[in-house]
Amino acid sequence: DIVLTQFPDFQSVTPKGKVAITCHASQSIGSSLHWYQHKPGQSPKLLIKYASQSISGVPSRFRGSGSGTDFTLTINSLEAEDSATYYCHQSRSLPWTFGQGTRVEIK
Amino acid sequence: EGQLVESGGGLVQPGRSLRLSCTASGYSFGDYVLSWVRQTPGKGLEWIGFVRSRAYDATPEYAASVKGRFTISRDDSKSSAYLQMDNVKTEDTAVYYCCSNAAAGSQFDFWGQGTLVTVSS
Repeated sequence: DIVLTQFPDFQSVTPKGKVAITCHASQSIGSSLHWYQHKPGQSPKLLIKYASQSISGVPSRFRGSGSGTDFTLTINSLEAEDSATYYCHQSRSLPWTFGQGTRVEIK
Repeated sequence: EGQLVESGGGLVQPGRSLRLSCTASGYSFGDYVLSWVRQTPGKGLEWIGFVRSRAYDATPEYAASVKGRFTISRDDSKSSAYLQMDNVKTEDTAVYYCCSNAAAGSQFDFWGQGTLVTVSS
């Protein structure tokens, strides 16, 4: 199975700040890496697909990069509504797997 | 954008069965893969399986943790998919989400609101 390891597990950021969440895959997955935002009591929401492709309706402050084994989700100019847990997910090979999640708190 | 609604969750005893349903609207359900993902209490997300579209014979795939106990199926005439959970274990306690994928090997485009399954005696 492909293991996805996210870093950090938790980050506290001030409004208008910036956060970078990394996702490391245990083997190369090309660009088959996607990012989701999950708020308590809600269903997860797709933010970025295939490492860097934007999703209609998602603010441009969410950016994805990387390929192979190392990926980054960058959130610029953080807003209070960005407080959530963020997950990466690989669809390169079965079983599909998720990272353990990164909780972002807005101070 | 499409919408997915899960139903059928609840309290079930260990070793018993439960069937979850997922009903779709607002998109061509039959053309898409339908996945199930769960979130256990206090933990992250776990993919548990999917069913391919009819174009790919509606064949399923499963995570090892549920293979042989859970069965995923679909009825395109009802725009619905099902998760049959047999011989449930306490570790199956989770919120279960159904999700739509454009294809096997792609992202979860949108998710249902989730349904809670509690396995306890």
